[in-house]
Amino acid sequence: DAGITQSPRYKITETGRQVTLMCHQTWSHSYMFWYRQDLGHGLRLIYYSAAADITDKGEVPDGYVVSRSKTENFPLTLESATRSQTSVYFCASSDAGITNEKLFFGSGTQLSVL
Amino acid sequence: DAKTTQPNSMESNEEEPVHLPCNHSTISGTDYIHWYRQLPSQGPEYVIHGLTSNVNNRMASLAIAEDRKSSTLILHRATLRDAAVYYCILVNNAGNMLTFGGGTRLMVKP
Repeated sequence: DAGITQSPRYKITETGRQVTLMCHQTWSHSYMFWYRQDLGHGLRLIYYSAAADITDKGEVPDGYVVSRSKTENFPLTLESATRSQTSVYFCASSDAGITNEKLFFGSGTQLSVL
Repeated sequence: DAKTTQPNSMESNEEEPVHLPCNHSTISGTDYIHWYRQLPSQGPEYVIHGLTSNVNNRMASLAIAEDRKSSTLILHRATLRDAAVYYCILVNNAGNMLTFGGGTRLMVKP
C-alpha cells in the first residue's frame, strides 16, 4: 500500500537553477494537487489536475510548471528557482475532486533555495 | 470563498474530550465543512467532513450547528498523538481548491 510518495524528501539548490519535484500515487486517483507551505503558515495551492493532460492554476502558480502525462504522476518544476520559493511542498490526490471527498497528502519535500 | 475563524491555540489534558470550534458565518448552502489536521513535520491528514448533519468516524465527530454558521470538531479522548494543527475548511461544489487558514494548534498535556 504505497499510497502517495514524493521525492526527494529534501532538496537544496541555488538561485536560477531548474528543479523538479516528483509526486507519484498508486490509487489511480483522478485529481492531483500541489501545495506549498511556508514556515508558520497554512497551505497554498499552486496547481491542480483533474485528469491526465488537464491542469489548472491555483492560488500561487507564478514560477512553477506542471505536467500530467500519466494519471499516477504529477511533477512540479521550478523553472528558475528563487529564494522566495524556499518552502515545504506537498502533493495530494483525491478520487473525485474535493467537495465530498478526502484528500490524501504526501510527506512533503523541503526545498531550500540559496 | 467563505472564510472560517478558529482560535489560534487550545490546550487539553490527555484522555479528556476536546472540542475545537470553527465559525463560518458566511457559509453558503452548498459548502461542505472539512477538517484536516497536520502533525509536526508531516503532510495534512483528513479527519472528517459533513454538509448539514452531524458526522462520526473512527477519528472524531463533527457537530454542525442548525444554522450551519459554526461547527465543532470533537476528539472524544485526546492522546499525545493528537497534538497537531487542526484546519477547518469550507469547500464549495464549484471549487477545486482547499483554502487552508491558520488553523488551531492543539496541545495535549500528559
